[in-house]
Formats: sequence, C-alpha cells, structure tokens
Amino acid sequence: GQNIDQPTEMTATEGAIVQINCTYQTSGFNGLFWYQQHAGEAPTFLSYNVLDGLEEKGRFSSFLSRSKGYSYLLLKELQMKDSASYLCAPTSGTYKYIFGTGTRLKVLA
Amino acid sequence: KAGVTQTPRYLIKTRGQQVTLSCSPISGHRSVSWYQQTPGQGLQFLFEYFSETQRNKGNFPGRFSGRQFSNSRSEMNVSTLELGDSALYLCASSLSRDGETQYFGPGTRLLVL
Repeated sequence: GQNIDQPTEMTATEGAIVQINCTYQTSGFNGLFWYQQHAGEAPTFLSYNVLDGLEEKGRFSSFLSRSKGYSYLLLKELQMKDSASYLCAPTSGTYKYIFGTGTRLKVLA
Repeated sequence: KAGVTQTPRYLIKTRGQQVTLSCSPISGHRSVSWYQQTPGQGLQFLFEYFSETQRNKGNFPGRFSGRQFSNSRSEMNVSTLELGDSALYLCASSLSRDGETQYFGPGTRLLVL
C-alpha cells in the first residue's frame, strides 16, 4: 500500500521562506507531484520530480530523495496569495493516484 | 485550449437517490480520473479511465461507478446516496501515461440531505 505524511498546518510571515515536507512509502515509485489548492478551488499543478535533487521554478522549488522517500516544497518570498493547501502525490505506475491530506499554509501580514 | 469542465457545479440530493456527474477533459487528453474530497479525508482516488476502460480504482463501495465515452468524456454515478457522500467531486485529465500531469476541473459540490 501507500502511506503519505505531511504536516497538517503551517504558518509563516509574508516575505519569509517556508519548507513543506512530505514523506512517503510506496511500491514501484515513479515520481512525485506537488499541487496547490486554494480554498474552494481545484488543485493546480506546481511541480513533478522524478530524479533526486532540487528543481527550481521561480519562487517555488521542489526537492526529492528517492532513497529516503522524502520530498519538500520550498516557497520563497512568501505572498498572501500563497495561503493555500499544498498536496503531495507520489505516483507508482499503477494509474492509481494517491494524494496526501495536504498542508494548509497560512501566510500572515 | 479549454480546461476541464464539470457539470453540474452544485447539486442537492436526498438519501437514497442516485446522481450522475459529468466531466469533459482537455481536448486530446485520454485519461480521466475521479476524486472525492472531504475536509476530513482529503483527496481520495475513486477511479481512472483511459480509452473507455477502467485502469484502476480506489477503495470505494460498488455504489460508486463510472464510465468513459469514445470522445473521452466521462461520467460517474453514485447510487443509493448516503449522507457521507456529501463532498466535492473532482475530475482530472491527463494525456495518457501514468506520471503525466493531471489537470483538474472545478468540481461538483454534492450535498446529500
């Protein structure tokens, strides 16, 4: 089976940096997605990591360690609009997509 | 390119009724997945369709079913509705292979009274 663990809630200040961790256990691991979901809206794609290491995309970066079953999403220069839930989703080649329960991030002024 | 569309956006039903939700994927996308989202459980995978075939399913009772048409549009059906079925139902489309980015529709919010 699959197991995904993310913190339930995090709070950070506007302009700061925040790191959202995700640990996972899954057989046949292919890669890991991060999605952002604002309240009342659909999830939107942020990143997909297949290889170990850090991938940077503007203010957002995502890191993967396949051997440790660990990923994180790094958000820099936080803005109020970054207040949302962040969902971690490893894929395993079975066309069965499992999402973590998500981390609710609150950005304070 | 138009995004994923879902109809209806909101629905109110009573216990025991059945409901059909519709999803039109992004043009060219052949894979459609369905999810149930509730505050307590997060995003739960229901099933995935590709070329009119169900390729995998989550751990939901048989009251939840789906199908995909030749134009890749998909429907999901929930029979004998229960109060606990109240949720946001999201569909997502992708090109074809596992690991492809999924693009989500706005969802159908179902309330069962």
